[in-house]
Amino acid sequence: NAGVMQNPRHLVRRRGQEARLRCSPMKGHSHVYWYRQLPEEGLKFMVYLQKENIIDESGMPKERFSAEFPKEGPSILRIQQVVRGDSAAYFCASSRGRGGTYEQYFGPGTRLTVT
Amino acid sequence: DAKTTQPNSMESNEEEPVHLPCNHSTISGTDYIHWYRQLPSQGPEYVIHGLTSNVNNRMASLAIAEDRKSSTLILHRATLRDAAVYYCISNYGGSQGNLIFGKGTKLSVKP
Repeated sequence: NAGVMQNPRHLVRRRGQEARLRCSPMKGHSHVYWYRQLPEEGLKFMVYLQKENIIDESGMPKERFSAEFPKEGPSILRIQQVVRGDSAAYFCASSRGRGGTYEQYFGPGTRLTVT
Repeated sequence: DAKTTQPNSMESNEEEPVHLPCNHSTISGTDYIHWYRQLPSQGPEYVIHGLTSNVNNRMASLAIAEDRKSSTLILHRATLRDAAVYYCISNYGGSQGNLIFGKGTKLSVKP
């Protein structure tokens, strides 16, 4: 059973460009979470999605960031008009059910560098 | 945000047991206690979780105090590969789904 897959693993964008990060959850998992880890800081929750629904986006910046988890295909975290402060590692996790009761499995992350 | 308290760092010798403590005095009756770890430059890795009873799996054991205000993650024989930051999590976001990570305990393992 393949784990959580994320691509690309490394992404370099110039300021003002768009970044698209993809996450394929583990087979059988319909709950997806995105977390961000800024350099030398802890992991911060961004958004929690189930198939076709955003359950909780309380950790997501209100502008430039969006996320989706369509019926078919991977979950996408989209960052428009990137700025240097967006440089971070972005981790996706998936679970069988709500993360408080069920364990979450994390992907290897996408390391975004904004130049 | 995080309502858990862990030591900033701990040291262990290889092949010895390690006991990582965590205080979660404000835990609610239905909150699970989760442990994750993060090796350098990697994503977090699930270790173990439990509600009331002690739990064992191939990676570790979780000992939960009777009043649930504290717990201990036990690595039975530390290896160099166990050097990581260990996070104890006992509270979750408003949706009861997302994990709230604190600073964790940085475990060093000496050969």
